[in-house]
Amino acid sequence: DTAVSQTPKYLVTQMGNDKSIKCEQNLGHDTMYWYKQDSKKFLKIMFSYNNKELIINETVPNRFSPKSPDKAHLNLHINSLELGDSAVYFCASSLEGQPQHFGDGTRLSIL
Amino acid sequence: AQRVTQPEKLLSVFKGAPVELKCNYSYSGSPELFWYVQYSRQRLQLLLRHISRESIKGFTADLNKGETSFHLKKPFAQEEDSAMYYCALSALRGQNFVFGPGTRLSVLP
Repeated sequence: DTAVSQTPKYLVTQMGNDKSIKCEQNLGHDTMYWYKQDSKKFLKIMFSYNNKELIINETVPNRFSPKSPDKAHLNLHINSLELGDSAVYFCASSLEGQPQHFGDGTRLSIL
Repeated sequence: AQRVTQPEKLLSVFKGAPVELKCNYSYSGSPELFWYVQYSRQRLQLLLRHISRESIKGFTADLNKGETSFHLKKPFAQEEDSAMYYCALSALRGQNFVFGPGTRLSVLP
């Protein structure tokens, strides 16, 4: 009964490939987020979706594209992966004004 | 724009010693402040929020609007408290959520 689940947990791939990370929440939240945590543990928000509208888009490369088929899902698609994309990506969700609940993270390693 | 700073990247204390993790923020309105904890290779978990004024795992945090601070304190640190701690600020009813850079707490035996 995991509240925020993301798959895969580990993703190892080569430079130049395209990959997707999936996220699902069963909390009935109306906002979902993607964060990137680098090797220094710095947490940077990438995107958030509220009612299927993008409301935050920090200056991430356009190779990253969030896709939300419904309120319970926010997938992250990455084109032409680069070495610098290696990080842990966290999905999170919340109700407006309430604390965010995080997934377990996806550790992306680019070879 | 809102901003959260945590001046210490790493804080090491001995078991049983008091610990204070500093957090300062800048925001012109009335923010909501949180502390999140991330144990090794785990997800971030909400530890505290200032409006609840509760103590979780012995930790407390008081919002000081005059000093724009929300420091996290525990009187007696335990080894299992070793983790990354992130201070976060929510503004405009949660639509702008900002995390600080994090402080790694290491509690030594």
